[in-house]
Amino acid sequence: AQKITQTQPGMFVQEKEAVTLDCTYDTSDPSYGLFWYKQPSSGEMIFLIYQGSYDQQNATEGRYSLNFQKARKSANLVISASQLGDSAMYFCAMSGNTDKLIFGTGTRLQVFP
Amino acid sequence: GAVVSQHPSWVICKSGTSVKIECRSLDFQATTMFWYRQFPKQSLMLMATSNEGSKATYEQGVEKDKFLINHASLTLSTLTVTSAHPEDSSFYICSATRGGRAKNIQYFGAGTRLSVL
Repeated sequence: AQKITQTQPGMFVQEKEAVTLDCTYDTSDPSYGLFWYKQPSSGEMIFLIYQGSYDQQNATEGRYSLNFQKARKSANLVISASQLGDSAMYFCAMSGNTDKLIFGTGTRLQVFP
Repeated sequence: GAVVSQHPSWVICKSGTSVKIECRSLDFQATTMFWYRQFPKQSLMLMATSNEGSKATYEQGVEKDKFLINHASLTLSTLTVTSAHPEDSSFYICSATRGGRAKNIQYFGAGTRLSVL
């Protein structure tokens, strides 16, 4: 069975600083995908970044990067130069041999001036 | 981009009535669409997976007669909450995958807040 664990219910970061949101996973599928989504208070789920299990390099998308450590089964999200608009819930998710996504419990990030 | 539109964004209905929620992929043909439910301060729970032209696959514990899913075209899936009751009040959100290189990425609609009185 697949499982995603986010151990940080809440995180605070000062504007312009970097922050790391933790995510660990467990799966028996040899091929899988790891995702991060942002959910503002409005409720929409915004896709941020994707990492395939066979990708050699860590994924990056603008200020977002995914620190993928396969041996440790971790897929932490790093947000550089935090902005006030980054305040939101962040969900880590994974897919295995189906397209279904399994979500973690989320981390609420608050960026303060 | 990959834009998914969900309508309505907010609906209030009386107990016993049915509510239809639409999910459209605006700039791509969706190979698969998904329907989720989210309770306050909780994560997303997958309700069902929907493929165009075939019956939806429901997750364990989800009543298929309660939550009717129709995937009539490659750009439209609908969720109908039949004979809604207050316990059906929740946030419902759909997603779609576009196939190709990005086939695993799910793009989400903005969600629908359902309140049943």
